[in-house]
Order: sequence, then structure tokens, then C-alpha cells
Amino acid sequence: EPEVTQTPSHQVTQMGQEVILRCVPISNHLYFYWYRQILGQKVEFLVSFYNNEISEKSEIFDDQFSVERPDGSNFTLKIRSTKLEDSAMYFCASRARADTYGYTFGSGTRLTVV
Amino acid sequence: SQKIEQNSEALNIQEGKTATLTCNYTNYSPAYLQWYRQDPGRGPVFLLLIRENEKEKRKERLKVTFDTTLKQSLFHITASQPADSATYLCALDRGGNNRKLIWGLGTSLAVNP
Repeated sequence: EPEVTQTPSHQVTQMGQEVILRCVPISNHLYFYWYRQILGQKVEFLVSFYNNEISEKSEIFDDQFSVERPDGSNFTLKIRSTKLEDSAMYFCASRARADTYGYTFGSGTRLTVV
Repeated sequence: SQKIEQNSEALNIQEGKTATLTCNYTNYSPAYLQWYRQDPGRGPVFLLLIRENEKEKRKERLKVTFDTTLKQSLFHITASQPADSATYLCALDRGGNNRKLIWGLGTSLAVNP
């Protein structure tokens, strides 16, 4: 069964450093997303991406965040200057066009900012 | 703002019984409602999607109902097995061209052998 692949699985970084989280969505999917989940809290929407541009972003997705689909297969989330409160699981998801399909999520990247 | 509530307590049931999980929401009119399973340290796994004009959906041992008047969905796992132990997440989906998911906190289910 096709999978969404995320790397790395775990990233520890110092406050103020830049991190790039990587995702390879399912190849024939058209819509891409980043969500995050702080330990013990709900999954939260960060950003959606379609046709090589951002469709929507949440209040969390401020100027420190950016996304890119550089080569038609990878989908990256960059945090320019990490803060302690950015520590969370970050999930990439993709979906096909059909309305009846759910989303396919990756296994996540656990980001720890120290 | 939107609010989604799932069973706040963890659910413990005996193997072979039916587990019933509840998702209630306010201040929202989703086009779809989705259920996901999440294991510790893993990403959500899609289980079922039900549309606003559907009352019930089934997939193998899973059944979802959706009552847009009550603003409630029920998720049933029949003939439960220990392998069904996980957290189950309810997510509202507004549909349209610009879909996104709004999530409940989840209900932890433990199926005891």
C-alpha cells in the first residue's frame, strides 16, 4: 500500500536554529498538508498546499514557517528560527482528488527544541 | 469557535464486545466527518469517511453514524480484538476545494483479552 514517508523520524535542535522536515507524499496525490501535535494535545492544521502554492495557512504558520515542493516529489517544512514551543510531532499528509478519500499521513517527525 | 468533544474517559472493554465511541461538535457544519486510528508515536491512519447526507457507513467490523441535527457521530467496532487497542480520532472536514481537518482530542480504547 502506498505510504507517505517522513524524515527524519526524530530531530533535536537548539533554540534559534533552522530545521527542515522532509516528506515524500504519495505520487499521484495532489493535495499536501502539514499538521502538528504537541504531546497530549489535539492534532492542529498548519498549512495546505496545492498546485505549487499554499492554499491556506493557520495562525500557527507565521513568518518563521515555510513550505516547498522543490522537485515534484519532496514536500518540505522549514522552521527558520525554532522556539521551545515548536517542540511537537509534525505530520505530513496527502490526499487524492476524490472527495470520498481520507488523508494519508506519514509517521511523523518528532521535533525537540532545547 | 468550533468545538469537538470525544469521550473524555478512556474506554476499556472485553474482547468480543462492541466498542462505541462518541464525537460531538458545535459551531460547525462539516461536509464530511472522518475517523482515524492513532497508535503511540505514529501518525493518524484513515478508517472511514461519512458525508453530511449519509446516515451510516460500514467497513468490515467498523460502523459510523452521522447525525447532523444532533451534531454527533458514533463509531462502533464490533467483535473487538486486543489489536483494536489505540486512540481513535474524530475529524471534521469542511469539504470543497480547500479542505482541511479539525480534530478532536481522541478516545483511548483498550480491549482486554
